[in-house]
Amino acid sequence: DIQMTQSPSSLSASVGDRVTITCRASQGIRNALGWYQQKPGKAPKGLIYAASSLQSGVPSRFSGSGSGTEFTLTISSLQPEDFATYYCLQHDDYPLTFGGGTKVE
Amino acid sequence: QEQLVESGGGVVQPGRPLRLSCAVSGFSFSSYAMHWVRQAPGKGLEWLAVIAYDGSEDYYADSVKGRFTISRDNSKNTLDLQMNSLRAEDTAVYYCGRDQGVGSGVGVLDSWGQGTRVTVSS
Repeated sequence: DIQMTQSPSSLSASVGDRVTITCRASQGIRNALGWYQQKPGKAPKGLIYAASSLQSGVPSRFSGSGSGTEFTLTISSLQPEDFATYYCLQHDDYPLTFGGGTKVE
Repeated sequence: QEQLVESGGGVVQPGRPLRLSCAVSGFSFSSYAMHWVRQAPGKGLEWLAVIAYDGSEDYYADSVKGRFTISRDNSKNTLDLQMNSLRAEDTAVYYCGRDQGVGSGVGVLDSWGQGTRVTVSS
């Protein structure tokens, strides 16, 4: 199975900051990487798929990049509603695997 | 507006079975692959299983393979997860999710239910 490693596991940021989260795959996954946001007590919400494509309705301050084994999620200017936990998910092959999560606080 | 509503969660003893359901509306259920994902208390997300739009294919995480079975009824717009031989480590909130793609899915979840809580305890 493909292992996904996220870093950092948590970070402290302020409104307006540029935030970057990294996800590494244990083997090459082309660009098959998605990002999900989850707030406490809520279901996850999809942000990005295929490394850099925004899901419908996602604000443009979210962007993704990378291919192969290293990927990044960037929030260009952190908004109050962006404080949450973010997960990467490889969708190159089944079984799908999530990263461990990054809490933005 | 697509809607996914899970049900069937509760408290169950170790070794016992439990069946979760996900009722969907607002989209053409029979056109989409569907997933189950869970989250143990205080832990991250864990993908569990996917089923193709027509039920012809399914895939599982190693942690549940042989114990859990995903199924669907396209005539009733429902997705199920049959969970057998439950263990304490299966305690989690279980989410159903719609795949963005057709066939056996592309692994991109674009719509989620609110989750149903399962507690495995004696």
